[in-house]
Amino acid sequence: DQQVKQNSPSLSVQEGRISILNCDYTNSMFDYFLWYKKYPAEGPTFLISISSIKDKNEDGRFTVFLNKSAKHLSLHIVPSQPGDSAVYFCAASASYNTDKLIFGTGTRLQVFP
Amino acid sequence: DTAVSQTPKYLVTQMGNDKSIKCEQNLGHDTMYWYKQDSKKFLKIMFSYNNKELIINETVPNRFSPKSPDKAHLNLHINSLELGDSAVYFCASSLASPGFYNEQFFGPGTRLTVL
Repeated sequence: DQQVKQNSPSLSVQEGRISILNCDYTNSMFDYFLWYKKYPAEGPTFLISISSIKDKNEDGRFTVFLNKSAKHLSLHIVPSQPGDSAVYFCAASASYNTDKLIFGTGTRLQVFP
Repeated sequence: DTAVSQTPKYLVTQMGNDKSIKCEQNLGHDTMYWYKQDSKKFLKIMFSYNNKELIINETVPNRFSPKSPDKAHLNLHINSLELGDSAVYFCASSLASPGFYNEQFFGPGTRLTVL
């Protein structure tokens, strides 16, 4: 049973435009969400996070939006750059077990010139 | 300096063999983890240790045995390797702050291929 889902395995965006990556979750106990970025042959690196008490968190070109009623979050990257090309993983955890991250299967983003 | 390092990066071995993967972190973190990323790219937690104590043990076969000699190291030993163990194994670490969320820092991964 996959509790965190990224239904788009890939996304292709032109440089300078907005990239929107989506993530859905099923467990209503999740209250902290993270996005990780992964380049080939490297480990995932933390990008941005959001607590369930917020509906938006922004860090430079990256913004995460959380819609608790829909159990949906999204990562917006604007403007997109070729260096953003990577696999993006959504992850979630719950307050009763903050160490346990449940990951989605990732979305491969390609930013072309 | 590498924050979370793993050795080896690649490991090719025969079915039935026993192998170990080593992980070290120099971040001063209290908690370390092992994850498995299978062929479907699904990244799933296997174990976590806090100050050498086992905290999370997911439904992993007992052929997998983590060992934490100190809080900077968490090694993974796998007995009687099977074809289905082929995957990329990631080590990670984080600060332990009860009641607070902390991001996890990942190593570069070890690609294990069982023939």
